[in-house]
Amino acid sequence: ETTLTQSPAFMSATPGDTVTISCKASRDVDDDMNWYQQKPGEPPIFIIQEATTLVPGIPPRFSGSGYGTDFTLTINNIESEDAAYYFCLQHDNFPLTFGGGTKVEIK
Amino acid sequence: VQLVESGRGLVQPGRSLRLSCAASGFTFDDYAMHWVRQVPGKGLEWVAGISWDGDGINYADSVKGRFTVSRDNAKNFLYLQMNSLRTEDTALYYCVKGRIAAVLDAFDMWGRGTMVTVSS
Repeated sequence: ETTLTQSPAFMSATPGDTVTISCKASRDVDDDMNWYQQKPGEPPIFIIQEATTLVPGIPPRFSGSGYGTDFTLTINNIESEDAAYYFCLQHDNFPLTFGGGTKVEIK
Repeated sequence: VQLVESGRGLVQPGRSLRLSCAASGFTFDDYAMHWVRQVPGKGLEWVAGISWDGDGINYADSVKGRFTVSRDNAKNFLYLQMNSLRTEDTALYYCVKGRIAAVLDAFDMWGRGTMVTVSS
């Protein structure tokens, strides 16, 4: 099973900050990494696919990078509406696995 | 695209429960479908996935032999039959749409989830 270690588990940011979230895989998953955003009481929303590709309709302040085992989600010029829980998902091998998640708070 | 789960409930350990998911707004039999669960306040766990035609099915080890995923493409429904339920199966269960027809791929749409509580 591929373990995804996400960090930090919690972070607090001020509007306008740049935020980075890390997701490290226990084995090489090529670019089969994805990112989701989940707000309280809502289902997750797909934001980044294949490690670096922005899902259509998602604001361009979101971006993804990485390949192999190290991946990063970056939110530039963060806004108050970006307060949410973010998690990564790998689809390189079974079982599909998720990172532990990062809660982003906006001050 | 809309995915609506049903079948929530409180059941005793060892009992069974079937979840359903009604899909609309897309060509159901073009895509794989999945069940993913989330313990409130905790992380996510992929439970099972089924390919567009039902021929490809995969399960998490934690549910293998107890849960069965199936689909009815004529009715646009996804199901999860859960047997021998355990307290650790307590979670919010999401119906999730795959991006493609095969199971080994990402998800692009989630339902709102249905709560399953296993307790005596």
